[in-house]
Formats: sequence, structure tokens, C-alpha cells
Amino acid sequence: KQEVTQIPAALSVPEGENLVLNCSFTDSAIYNLQWFRQDPGKGLTSLLLIQSSQREQTSGRLNASLDKSSGRSTLYIAASQPGDSATYLCAVPNDYKLSFGAGTTVTVRA
Amino acid sequence: DTGVSQDPRHKITKRGQNVTFRCDPISEHNRLYWYRQTLGQGPEFLTYFQNEAQLEKSRLLSDRFSAERPKGSFSTLEIQRTEQGDSAMYLCASSQLSGAIPGNTIYFGEGSWLTVV
Repeated sequence: KQEVTQIPAALSVPEGENLVLNCSFTDSAIYNLQWFRQDPGKGLTSLLLIQSSQREQTSGRLNASLDKSSGRSTLYIAASQPGDSATYLCAVPNDYKLSFGAGTTVTVRA
Repeated sequence: DTGVSQDPRHKITKRGQNVTFRCDPISEHNRLYWYRQTLGQGPEFLTYFQNEAQLEKSRLLSDRFSAERPKGSFSTLEIQRTEQGDSAMYLCASSQLSGAIPGNTIYFGEGSWLTVV
């Protein structure tokens, strides 16, 4: 059974600092890994989908890396802003369903 | 708005009552998923449809839960005889079929909050 873990559970940084969010998974035989953002009381917004053949995927200030062999992915957010405050979740497919981590809740202090 | 839409967004019900949630996926998406999320946890898979066929159901989906997707368009999730433990956010998501490999982005709706009192 695929287990997905995100550490830390919460993170607080001053505005402008770079964010590093970690995701680990137990079964390295994955097709892809997806990062989502969730604002309080809201649904999930897809940020990045990184295929198993890729090592990195970038979108604006966001960069996701994937190391299948070690079962890890990292989401980097450059020059954080208060608007980046949210919960960030990673997910990997298990057949056609997603297995999610519990998320990292980020607070960016102005 | 061409995203996944869910209705109602919030529902408060008394224990023992039935509730139904509706999901309208992105129009060209033939896969539709239901997930449940409780506070501080990631979403947990409940069930998924490919067109109108329900292809997988989680063991979390007790016999009080039923989901349908008539004509492969919108979907409903009904919970009968609600219990306090059913209180959660119910998320719907959709994606496009891409061969046999689940390589496509999955898009989520805003969720339907259920509170059972």
C-alpha cells in the first residue's frame, strides 16, 4: 500500500524567504506526482504535475523535483508572499486513485 | 466557469437524515472521482467512474453510501442515515482518460461540507 508523508506539518516564514516543502512515498513505482494547494475551507488547486520520466517541473515561482529511487519530491516556492499562505499537498496515483499526504500548512508573515 | 462544480457547498443535517451531493465535472472529462477529507488530513478516495460505469469503490464507502453517474455526465453521492462520523468535506474531481496510464492532471471542485449534528 502506498504511504505518502509530508514533513513538516506546518511552517511559518517571513515574506521573501524561499519555501522548501517535502513529500516522501513508499512505493517508487509511480507514474507521476502531483502538488496541490488548498486554501482554508476550499477545494484543491493543481499546481504542478511531474511525470515519472521528469526530474523537475517549473511554473513561475514554483519548482518541483522528483527522485523516484529515493521516494522523494520537493516543492520549492521562491520569494514567498503572504498570498502563498495555504496548505500544500502532494499526491501519487495508486491505480487510478490518488494517495495524498496530510499536507504542509504554510504561513508567510508580512 | 468551466471547472468542477459541487452543490451544495455546505450542508448541516441531523443524525439519521439522508443527504445528497451533486458534482458536475469538466465537460470533456470522462473520469469522475469522489474523495472525503477531514480536518488536518489529506483527501481519501471513495469511488470513481469512467463514463457511467462505477469502476472502484473504497472500503470506506459503507452500504449507507451510494454514488451514481447517469449518462456519464453529473454525479450524485448519497449518504443514508447519516452519522456524526460522516462529518467531513466531500470532494469531487475529474480527469480525462489517457490510455491506461493515469498521467493526466486531476481537477478538484470546491467541495461540499457536511456537518451532522
